[in-house]
Amino acid sequence: EVQLVESGGGVVQPGRSLTLSCAASGFIFDDYAMHWVRQTPGKGLEWVSGISGKSDSVGYVDSLKGRFTISRDNAKNSLYLQMSSLRDDDTALYYCAKAVGEHLFYYHMDVWGKGTTVTVSS
Amino acid sequence: DIVMTQSPDSLAVSLGERATINCKSSQTVLFTSNRKSYLTWYQQKSGQPPKVLFYWASTRESGVPDRFNASGSGTDFTLTISSLQAEDVALYYCYQYYSSPYTFGQGTKLEIK
Repeated sequence: EVQLVESGGGVVQPGRSLTLSCAASGFIFDDYAMHWVRQTPGKGLEWVSGISGKSDSVGYVDSLKGRFTISRDNAKNSLYLQMSSLRDDDTALYYCAKAVGEHLFYYHMDVWGKGTTVTVSS
Repeated sequence: DIVMTQSPDSLAVSLGERATINCKSSQTVLFTSNRKSYLTWYQQKSGQPPKVLFYWASTRESGVPDRFNASGSGTDFTLTISSLQAEDVALYYCYQYYSSPYTFGQGTKLEIK
């Protein structure tokens, strides 16, 4: 069974950093691109970042470039999101999602984890 | 960036009746070389992650009931539930994966009237 389990969320002060992790199982991890999507009650779903199966392509939503960094460790079947200079509006439920193909582009997301909550608050 | 706009924002439909949700993209999401529109419909029930209903605008995901249908191409798309069931109460999102940054519609909340 394909499974994605996010971790690393919590309460963090504005300006600090946090790294989210996503543990994948049930599929050949490096055959698929992976994504981070976040959700807030006010803004709905927002694609945050994606990375190809071999890490040769990455993408970010423009507003987060420079603050967030996506990476993956295919040997550990794990996806990461390093978040720095966190702001109040980064407060959200962060989902890890698997794409249906290796390349970053042109593949939708078919399996999602349950998410991990990040709260940015002083 | 491609802006995805759904209508309506919320919808209340009687059980057994038809529900229709629209999605419009600010630019085409049609890849001319293969004639596929790179649009997905997701259903999100309360407390759950999104679930794929359709991809390439109209290809039904395995296991999705056939009362759900999707159509459209280019910039205009529609999701239809032909006979609403209680378990269809959810948020519905369209999502374009044609051009990065990928973008979602704002969501449509579907309720029972």
